[in-house]
Amino acid sequence: DSGVTQTPKHLITATGQRVTLRCSPRSGDLSVYWYQQSLDQGLQFLIQYYNGEERAKGNILERFSAQQFPDLHSELNLSSLELGDSALYFCASSTYWGAANEKLFFGSGTQLSVL
Amino acid sequence: DQQVKQNSPSLSVQEGRISILNCDYTNSMFDYFLWYKKYPAEGPTFLISISSIKDKNEDGRFTVFLNKSAKHLSLHIVPSQPGDSAVYFCAASDLGSNYQLIWGAGTKLIIKP
Repeated sequence: DSGVTQTPKHLITATGQRVTLRCSPRSGDLSVYWYQQSLDQGLQFLIQYYNGEERAKGNILERFSAQQFPDLHSELNLSSLELGDSALYFCASSTYWGAANEKLFFGSGTQLSVL
Repeated sequence: DQQVKQNSPSLSVQEGRISILNCDYTNSMFDYFLWYKKYPAEGPTFLISISSIKDKNEDGRFTVFLNKSAKHLSLHIVPSQPGDSAVYFCAASDLGSNYQLIWGAGTKLIIKP
């Protein structure tokens, strides 16, 4: 158990809809990262928050947004969903701001299926 | 444009033998490399890492080798055990992009009894 909790585990929705994925980091971790893994692809970095502030942005679509709340949990909002958004979405956390040698601790992911 | 490539989608190895997983990269700004292991229905977990100033790092049965001139790293598992069957991801920390991790597509390792 990594200590990172993601909900829900599975989500099935229709094109055009909006969903929210939730992540609770390990106790004491200040950074939260969101990753997308499509079929047979590596993990694509979406966005990182550190202590409530956006720290780094990857290939995140404009239809996607995220935030980190004062209690350090994070939500990833996906809107105007398309079939291609179907993927496994991982949340990870780390103790500090994400130095090169910092380990990431991953949740078990949310499997999103857009029909 | 894949900056981190794991060219073998899968690898099958006999239990007790050595498993060698390979990873190639293109960006000379990568300064730290990590291997993560992933079991089905779980998130990746950290396995071992290496700084670009080193060429080898060992942790028990796991050794990572880095060849900077060839922009190549490899993970050796000796001896391979059934519990090592998993997907292995290579990741590189990009100094030029705020240490953002760039990930390979993964190699599925199957240990045969």
